[in-house]
Amino acid sequence: DTEVTQTPKHLVMGMTNKKSLKCEQHMGHRAMYWYKQKAKKPPELMFVYSYEKLSINESVPSRFSPECPNSSLLNLHLHALQPEDSALYLCASSQGDGYTFGSGTRLTVV
Amino acid sequence: AQSVTQLGSHVSVSEGALVLLRCNYSSSVPPYLFWYVQYPNQGLQLLLKYTSAATLVKGINGFEAEFKKSETSFHLTKPSAHMSDAAEYFCAVSDGLTGGGNKLTFGTGTQLKVEL
Repeated sequence: DTEVTQTPKHLVMGMTNKKSLKCEQHMGHRAMYWYKQKAKKPPELMFVYSYEKLSINESVPSRFSPECPNSSLLNLHLHALQPEDSALYLCASSQGDGYTFGSGTRLTVV
Repeated sequence: AQSVTQLGSHVSVSEGALVLLRCNYSSSVPPYLFWYVQYPNQGLQLLLKYTSAATLVKGINGFEAEFKKSETSFHLTKPSAHMSDAAEYFCAVSDGLTGGGNKLTFGTGTQLKVEL
């Protein structure tokens, strides 16, 4: 298995909702990432987990809460989001000299 | 901090023509450089990577890139464009080996259009 799987592919949520994004990989990669990508822009790093510990938080608002339950799973918990948080959320994993990206979750906050 | 600059936010070529997408890097240490392609509403697909081995790197779909330290460049080329190459292309730099969870920083992207 050489893929990073993200669910759901699309999500519409209200500003008072709580939802979670899920990312899974079975390549044995020990680093996992969340990126946010706005339309016509490059991906921007949000969080990095290395060996299941949070190693980088790029000053992301607390309404985004990452979680790494085990070496294969990465979650992003969402609460009280704003419309400007609407974007494509990409998960990635890495080992050695390469990164593998999932196909993303398209999030719309209404 | 590592960074990359992509010259030209939009590039248009004719089908069968040479594709050249430019990327310059800024790094205080030997960089790890990548080119990714993104089709509409999809994730990122790795085209090729430079990790201090051969300076001419061959990737998927006929793409290649040459690492030139003297010019701090890592331009992406393809001899003959195909309609299916139309997409967004990102150059990216990592601040270290990726196994330890190092930051991957992207350029602003180049939209490639291929015309008949």
